[in-house]
Amino acid sequence: DAGVTQSPTHLIKTRGQHVTLRCSPISGHKSVSWYQQVLGQGPQFIFQYYEKEERGRGNFPDRFSARQFPNYSSELNVNALLLGDSALYLCASSWWGLPTDTQYFGPGTRLTVL
Amino acid sequence: GQQLNQSPQSMFIQEGEDVSMNCTSSSIFNTWLWYKQDPGEGPVLLIALYKAGELTSNGRLTAQFGITRKDSFLNISASIPSDVGIYFCAGHDGNQFYFGTGTSLTVIP
Repeated sequence: DAGVTQSPTHLIKTRGQHVTLRCSPISGHKSVSWYQQVLGQGPQFIFQYYEKEERGRGNFPDRFSARQFPNYSSELNVNALLLGDSALYLCASSWWGLPTDTQYFGPGTRLTVL
Repeated sequence: GQQLNQSPQSMFIQEGEDVSMNCTSSSIFNTWLWYKQDPGEGPVLLIALYKAGELTSNGRLTAQFGITRKDSFLNISASIPSDVGIYFCAGHDGNQFYFGTGTSLTVIP
């Protein structure tokens, strides 16, 4: 069975640009969460979606937005990129998005902002 | 955002030795998880803990949910070279998951 897939693998952007990252969850999983992992730190929660509805939002500015599609795949959008947005962006999927559900992480998208 | 305090930051041990690491928080958590992350990959769940005082094992790994609900411990017995990686704790406060700062483990054959 395919795991969580993310695209692209790597991305280089310049300050002020916009970026869209994509995530396909494990088949059957209805919840997707996004995390930002800065080099040398643990992942930080950005968003959680369940059945196309936003279920949770972390402490990130409004430049970050996301959505979930009817097929449960998800996009993370970041506007007006800053140097500090350079990080590994991880997507995780689970069946119901509950704390007791196992989250399966994708390999991430490495974003570099120049 | 909140980050959990994880220690030690890094460990260099001989193959066969036991490893202990811990994670503390200023807040109470309802769930504690331990993950391992290899280079170029996302974190993989090792152990999940859902009740204060719970002690759970997964092969050579044992983790405990602290009775204060503000800490958790992970032990690895008889380390092997494939244990190399970064270990993260994560706690859920009823709203979201918070991750620790990570413990980098190096196993010397």
